[in-house]
Amino acid sequence: DTAVSQTPKYLVTQMGNDKSIKCEQNLGHDTMYWYKQDSKKFLKIMFSYNNKELIINETVPNRFSPKSPDKAHLNLHINSLELGDSAVYFCASSLSPGRELFFGEGSRLTVL
Amino acid sequence: QQQVKQSPQSLIVQKGGIPIINCAYENTAFDYFPWYQQFPGKGPALLIAIRPDVSEKKEGRFTISFNKSAKQFSLHIMDSQPGDSATYFCAASLSGTYKYIFGTGTRLKVLA
Repeated sequence: DTAVSQTPKYLVTQMGNDKSIKCEQNLGHDTMYWYKQDSKKFLKIMFSYNNKELIINETVPNRFSPKSPDKAHLNLHINSLELGDSAVYFCASSLSPGRELFFGEGSRLTVL
Repeated sequence: QQQVKQSPQSLIVQKGGIPIINCAYENTAFDYFPWYQQFPGKGPALLIAIRPDVSEKKEGRFTISFNKSAKQFSLHIMDSQPGDSATYFCAASLSGTYKYIFGTGTRLKVLA
């Protein structure tokens, strides 16, 4: 049983298109996150959610819209994709803020 | 005040060597210092973590040394193996908050 699962694992798309990534955790955690990892491996927090509520948006362009239908799911929709959006996007969860993070395996987005 | 500086950026050691990765933080309020290990194509996973009330923690071949006065902590890998080749991230967080700062990562290669 995968603790944090994301789909799809790979996305390849053209500039200007819209894409979504889905994330589900079966750990019973209240807190979920989206991270972006660029080609240099830097991990950058994008959004933090607690019990379906957005807590932090780390100055991410509003082309990125997260949605949490329930506390086990956190999806990410990206509009009007740009070349600079190419990265690996990780979903993560934690029992509570500031504690151990459990990451999914990542979704590699390539924008052509 | 929110940075965590990690060095070196990359490291190559022979099998059996003891790679050491260093991190320095600025915010003295941080109270949780984890290390994450990331293999290619996978998400980061917690390796070992320490709280500032202890100066050292060992789990198997992995040891964290913590120097509160210097605001530094380091990861030592004893008897390193080729299977330890991965990217290692330090982090610092404040429990109960969404302040969770990652270092820039160290790519470790252990030669057989």
